[in-house]
Amino acid sequence: KNEVEQSPQNLTAQEGEFITINCSYSVGISALHWLQQHPGGGIVSLFMLSSGKKKHGRLIATINIQEKHSSLHITASHPRDSAVYICAVLPLDFGNEKLTFGTGTRLTIIP
Amino acid sequence: DTGVSQNPRHKITKRGQNVTFRCDPISEHNRLYWYRQTLGQGPEFLTYFQNEAQLEKSRLLSDRFSAERPKGSFSTLEIQRTEQGDSAMYLCASSIRGNEKLFFGSGTQLSVL
Repeated sequence: KNEVEQSPQNLTAQEGEFITINCSYSVGISALHWLQQHPGGGIVSLFMLSSGKKKHGRLIATINIQEKHSSLHITASHPRDSAVYICAVLPLDFGNEKLTFGTGTRLTIIP
Repeated sequence: DTGVSQNPRHKITKRGQNVTFRCDPISEHNRLYWYRQTLGQGPEFLTYFQNEAQLEKSRLLSDRFSAERPKGSFSTLEIQRTEQGDSAMYLCASSIRGNEKLFFGSGTQLSVL
């Protein structure tokens, strides 16, 4: 069983819809990353959070450490948001060499 | 562009050949990581450097793989006697010690025929 589970694996939505991607993990962590990967491979770090909530533009990330769960929300989704979104967790007392990635959620926004 | 740079972007090779990839991290970043990603999966850790020292290697890194960061700046990842199972995206990332935010390159897509 993967230590990091994402749902859904694939998500297709109409432009303008509110999007939620979920991430659950099984180990104690010091931080959680949300990453965006476009076709062609490049990965962009969207958020790194260890508690509460962060917002950047139309993106919102929340984390509940007690429940070992995080969500990434996209408001007013747009076709350019189409990408794979990856959750990755940093186990307690370790650095990025122990970063454990989920398998990603493929998001497609239809105009 | 002052981001993480990887070359080449794509590499097609025949089984048994050697290949070498290069990663240029963000200049002030002293930590450099190599990851491998296969289709439909998240990245998997291969190895990382702090300055020129290679501090950890994953068991995924067989003896056909070697990585160097000779002057603590750019890094190379070499795969000897490539196998079809080596086909993957090889990603490089860098960070500053004490700040775990990662900056990724665009990756090198390796196809072994």
